[in-house]
Amino acid sequence: DTEVTQTPKHLVMGMTNKKSLKCEQHMGHRAMYWYKQKAKKPPELMFVYSYEKLSINESVPSRFSPECPNSSLLNLHLHALQPEDSALYLCASSLQGQLAKNIQYFGAGTRLSVL
Amino acid sequence: GIQVEQSPPDLILQEGANSTLRCNFSDSVNNLQWFHQNPWGQLINLFYIPSGTKQNGRLSATTVATERYSLLYISSSQTTDSGVYFCAVVHGSGNTGKLIFGQGTTLQVKP
Repeated sequence: DTEVTQTPKHLVMGMTNKKSLKCEQHMGHRAMYWYKQKAKKPPELMFVYSYEKLSINESVPSRFSPECPNSSLLNLHLHALQPEDSALYLCASSLQGQLAKNIQYFGAGTRLSVL
Repeated sequence: GIQVEQSPPDLILQEGANSTLRCNFSDSVNNLQWFHQNPWGQLINLFYIPSGTKQNGRLSATTVATERYSLLYISSSQTTDSGVYFCAVVHGSGNTGKLIFGQGTTLQVKP
């Protein structure tokens, strides 16, 4: 089983709202990732958690706040977003931390619209 | 940083045709993955292939690491093969984990 589950599938929020995206995997993977994908563009890395510690932050604005409560769960908390933050947010995981050679498996994504 | 270039950017095929997608990268890699992104956004793993050749049904892939390119072959294409194909690499060893994606090849297979 190589399943990464993301909820919700779709989210519409106003610029003053606070919302959270959720990602779960039960494959025993020890690295989890958030990527952002704008329309007709490739995914771009936002954050990496390795063994439940934040190891990479790609200079993401503070209105995006990641959290890794345990090895199976990754959240992305959203606050005061801008319309340009509308995108597909993808979660991924890999087995042995963030080692370069590890295969990354992706969830189906959350399609976010900020009004 | 490492550059990843995919060609062609767009491809239209009739059902049953064969195709070759190319991925060039500018430096050595420890990880190369091919993905198919379906119209709903799901990124589906096709191959993990930092070097060598692999086959899975109608799909096969070859990476020539010394010449810094990878090829994805699709034979007897079907309409369900439509979508965007991404090549993604990790440059360097150790604890990097940062997948760098190419711009993708958008494939449309017509019935």
